[in-house]
Amino acid sequence: EPEVTQTPSHQVTQMGQEVILRCVPISNHLYFYWYRQILGQKVEFLVSFYNNEISEKSEIFDDQFSVERPDGSNFTLKIRSTKLEDSAMYFCASGTRPQRKETQYFGPGTRLLVL
Amino acid sequence: GQQVMQIPQYQHVQEGEDFTTYCNSSTTLSNIQWYKQRPGGHPVFLIQLVKSGEVKKQKRLTFQFGEAKKNSSLHITATQTTDVGTYFCAGDYGGATNKLIFGTGTLLAVQP
Repeated sequence: EPEVTQTPSHQVTQMGQEVILRCVPISNHLYFYWYRQILGQKVEFLVSFYNNEISEKSEIFDDQFSVERPDGSNFTLKIRSTKLEDSAMYFCASGTRPQRKETQYFGPGTRLLVL
Repeated sequence: GQQVMQIPQYQHVQEGEDFTTYCNSSTTLSNIQWYKQRPGGHPVFLIQLVKSGEVKKQKRLTFQFGEAKKNSSLHITATQTTDVGTYFCAGDYGGATNKLIFGTGTLLAVQP
C-alpha cells in the first residue's frame, strides 16, 4: 500500500539554525499538508499546498516557515531560524481531491528538537 | 474560530470494558474523521463520516455523526490491550483545501 515517507525521523539542532524537513507524498496525490504536534498536545495544521503554491496557512506558519515542492516527488518544510518552541513532531500529509471529501494520509513524522 | 473539543482527556479501563470518546465542534462540519495514534507513532486514519446522523461500524468500533454535523462519538465495545492509544477526531470544515482541525484527543489506557 502506498504511504507517505518523511526524512529525517529525528533532527536535533541549535536555536537559530535552519532546518529542512523532507516528505515524499503518495504519488498520485495533489494536495499536501504540514502539521505539527508539540509533545503531549494535539495535532495542529500549519499549511496546505496545491498546484505549486500555498493554498492556506495557519497563524503558526509565520515568515520563518516556508514550503517548497522542488521536484515531482519531494515536499519540504523549511524553518529559517529555529526557536526553542519549534520543538515538536512534524507530520506531512497528502490527499487526492478534497472536494471528494477524501481523507489525508499522514507520514511517520520528523521529531525536531531545538536546543 | 473553528475549534474541536474532545472529552474525556484520559480514560483508564479494564480489558473487556467499553469505552466512548466524544467530539464537539464550535461550528458545522463538512465531515469528520477519526484517527488513532499509538505512543510515539503518527495519526492513522480510522474512518470518515460525511452524512448527518451517519453511523459506521468497524468490528468493535462504532462511529456516529450528529444530526447537526457538529458532534461525533467513537465507541469501542469490549476493549482489548491493542486498543491503547490516543484517539483524535479531526474536523473538516470544507473549503478549497480541507485542512483538518484536530480535537484535543482522548488517551485510552487498557489494563489487562
